[in-house]
Amino acid sequence: EIVLTQSPDFQSVTPKEKVTITCRASQSIGSSLHWYQQKPDQSPKLLIKYASQSISGVPSRFSGSGSGTDFTLTINSLEAEDAATYYCHQSSSLPWGFGQGTKVEIK
Amino acid sequence: EVQLVQSGAEVKKPGESLRISCKGSGYSFTSYWISWVRQMPGKGLEWMGRIDPSDSYTNYSPSFQGHVTISADKSISTAYLQWSSLKASDTAMYYCARPTYSSSTYYYMDVWGKGTTVTVSS
Repeated sequence: EIVLTQSPDFQSVTPKEKVTITCRASQSIGSSLHWYQQKPDQSPKLLIKYASQSISGVPSRFSGSGSGTDFTLTINSLEAEDAATYYCHQSSSLPWGFGQGTKVEIK
Repeated sequence: EVQLVQSGAEVKKPGESLRISCKGSGYSFTSYWISWVRQMPGKGLEWMGRIDPSDSYTNYSPSFQGHVTISADKSISTAYLQWSSLKASDTAMYYCARPTYSSSTYYYMDVWGKGTTVTVSS
């Protein structure tokens, strides 16, 4: 079973700052890594697919990179509405799994 | 509009059975898998399993195999998550989601239901 480990678990950031969240897989998963945003009391929302591909309707300040075992979600110029928990998800092999989540708080 | 509409909140006692539902609309229900994801209070997302509604073929996470049953009725575009004997530890929010793929054959989940809260308490 592939384990995804995100870092950090929590980040407190001022608006307009850049946020970087990493996700490390316990074995190589190619580009089968996706990112989701979950705001309080809401369902998760797809942000990035296949490590770096953008999703229609998602602001361009969200970007992803990486392949193999190391992946990064970057939020450029954080906005107040970006306060949420972010999860990575691998679909390289069953069982699919998620990282433990990174909570981003706005200072 | 593509939607997954989940059934309402449930409050049950330990040992009771339960089935919650997820109805797809706005797309060909049998052309996409449905996944179930658990979120315990204050915790992260856990993938439980998936079903192909066209033939009811399922895959389960080992963590949930034997504890829940995933099924589907393609005639009414609905997937189900079922427990035969609930425990307090089953208290959680349960999401259904639609896995899909585009530039490769690896899936991501592009549509999510709003979730069903299940509370198990004596």
